[in-house]
Amino acid sequence: SQKIEQNSEALNIQEGKTATLTCNYTNYSPAYLQWYRQDPGRGPVFLLLIRENEKEKRKERLKVTFDTTLKQSLFHITASQPADSATYLCALEAGGYNKLIFGAGTRLAVHP
Amino acid sequence: DTAVSQTPKYLVTQMGNDKSIKCEQNLGHDTMYWYKQDSKKFLKIMFSYNNKELIINETVPNRFSPKSPDKAHLNLHINSLELGDSAVYFCASSQGPRSPLHFGNGTRLTVT
Repeated sequence: SQKIEQNSEALNIQEGKTATLTCNYTNYSPAYLQWYRQDPGRGPVFLLLIRENEKEKRKERLKVTFDTTLKQSLFHITASQPADSATYLCALEAGGYNKLIFGAGTRLAVHP
Repeated sequence: DTAVSQTPKYLVTQMGNDKSIKCEQNLGHDTMYWYKQDSKKFLKIMFSYNNKELIINETVPNRFSPKSPDKAHLNLHINSLELGDSAVYFCASSQGPRSPLHFGNGTRLTVT
């Protein structure tokens, strides 16, 4: 069956360090993958999209990698700040018209 | 200006009642969605409309009926509410295939 897995445990890191979040999937062949940020009581906010023919994408302090052989995406936040504390969701295109399937998310806490 | 707005933000009702949630987007997007986020935080797609036409209809009880009067609006009507319908419902929109989703801030539905 199709599955998307993200680190189920919360990730606690010190301010200034790099946070690395993992998204693994099975039985999908997505053409693209997206990462979103969700704060408590709010809707997810889009961060980055990476296509299957792209190995890496960057946006300011954010970097996403996409390895279709390993069926894995890594999401990095460099020079992390307490304001980066949130839940981060990965989402795969799962066929159809922009049909996205979301992982359960990883909660990141950045401590001063 | 709020890009994707949902009303109401909170909805508390009793089993067996019928309720509606409204969604409007002012982004000029062609595609709108309903997602359900349960207590385990999984975001699951329910429906998608493109230019008022239903294009994604996941395995959702037929007590749930989406209606799109125009491409800027997508409402969700739920009949005969059950306890298991308690969740946060998110509306979203996108420009089209392979483009990011813009989410509203959700409607927290509690069925007692």
